[in-house]
Amino acid sequence: AQSVAQPEDQVKVAEGNPLTVKCTYSVSGNPYLFWYVQYPNRGLQFLLKYITGDNLVKGSYGFEAEFNKSQTSFHLKKPSALVSDSALYFCAVRPDTGGFKTIFGAGTRLFVKA
Amino acid sequence: DGGITQSPKYLFRKEGQNVTLSCEQNLNHDAMYWYRQDPGQGLRLIYYSQIVNDFQKGDIAEGYSVSREKKESFPLTVTSAQKNPTAFYLCASRATVNYYGYTFGSGTRLTVV
Repeated sequence: AQSVAQPEDQVKVAEGNPLTVKCTYSVSGNPYLFWYVQYPNRGLQFLLKYITGDNLVKGSYGFEAEFNKSQTSFHLKKPSALVSDSALYFCAVRPDTGGFKTIFGAGTRLFVKA
Repeated sequence: DGGITQSPKYLFRKEGQNVTLSCEQNLNHDAMYWYRQDPGQGLRLIYYSQIVNDFQKGDIAEGYSVSREKKESFPLTVTSAQKNPTAFYLCASRATVNYYGYTFGSGTRLTVV
């Protein structure tokens, strides 16, 4: 079965430190990969996506993500965390086979402490 | 500005009542989706629609119904058959090019009273 795993329910970092939010997937073919962020009582906002090409993709608010095909991972990173980055982050995967369904991870809550 | 509007932001339902959640988009997107969000469970797909007058069940469609009479609108009805409807409901849309991401509405929080 196709799935997306975010192995950490929460991640805690100090402001100014680098952060990583992990995502691994089990999807056949060459899927499209996405990261979204959700602030309290709001919808999800698109951060970045990987389609093809360079394994390091850059997105909004200084975030970037590294695609690793051999490890089927797509970890979200930021060199220097801000308190305002505290939110819920979702990894999502869509198979490239033409379907219309996207598979979401369960989410990782990021806490950035001042 | 283009976007998705969900209304109401908060909704209270009595036992046995049907309620309808509104979702309107002006992005000219063909595909629209309804997700349910519960704490610790991520997003679960209820229904989706690729074109007007057509929609498909998602993973948890029981107790819900939808319509797609206009490209811009994709309302969700939570029926009395849905036994545990208290949740945060998210509507999303996207262009049909497969590698595009979603645009989400700001959500409707439904509570059974």
